[in-house]
Amino acid sequence: ETGVTQTPRHLVMGMTNKKSLKCEQHLGHNAMYWYKQSAKKPLELMFVYNFKEQTENNSVPSRFSPECPNSSHLFLHLHTLQPEDSALYLCASSQIPRGQGTDTQYFGPGTRLTVL
Amino acid sequence: GQNIDQPTEMTATEGAIVQINCTYQTSGFNGLFWYQQHAGEAPTFLSYNVLDGLEEKGRFSSFLSRSKGYSYLLLKELQMKDSASYLCAALDSNYQLIWGAGTKLIIKP
Repeated sequence: ETGVTQTPRHLVMGMTNKKSLKCEQHLGHNAMYWYKQSAKKPLELMFVYNFKEQTENNSVPSRFSPECPNSSHLFLHLHTLQPEDSALYLCASSQIPRGQGTDTQYFGPGTRLTVL
Repeated sequence: GQNIDQPTEMTATEGAIVQINCTYQTSGFNGLFWYQQHAGEAPTFLSYNVLDGLEEKGRFSSFLSRSKGYSYLLLKELQMKDSASYLCAALDSNYQLIWGAGTKLIIKP
């Protein structure tokens, strides 16, 4: 276990549904991240939160909406998704905020999302 | 642009040695990470290199050549549990991680 948990582990949703992914880190870290992982592609960074403030949104469609109520919890709200959004969504955290130095990111196990 | 290249898939035999290569092109460089990811699980940190040379951690070693923009992960005495994807990621001058697509390693008995 890496100290980062994600729920649910699997999610199947229709294009008109609204759902949320949850991430919690138990490491006392200051930065949290959402990544999208598709088969045979590099990890795509979606959002970054440093000290619970969003610092990056890498041109992610508005049908993905992040929320970070505190430095330990991160949500990804999903609505009107497309089939091409089907992927593994990974949450990660690090002690040093992104862009401020070298640090290791610790990942959760991911949510396998299927959009029908 | 910034880019990481690593082989898509490799196959090796249990008990043998395998080397997974990674080449990188980044705007500046602040080190290179290797992660292991078993199917359906979280990527887990294996190693970080910022200086040239080889660093050994048990059965796993990681090598870096900054002048060549090249790294490799060396796995010795392969075990079936080493079947996984291995992700290479370089840290650029702004401390942003640039990820490779990963190398799927298949271990055969």
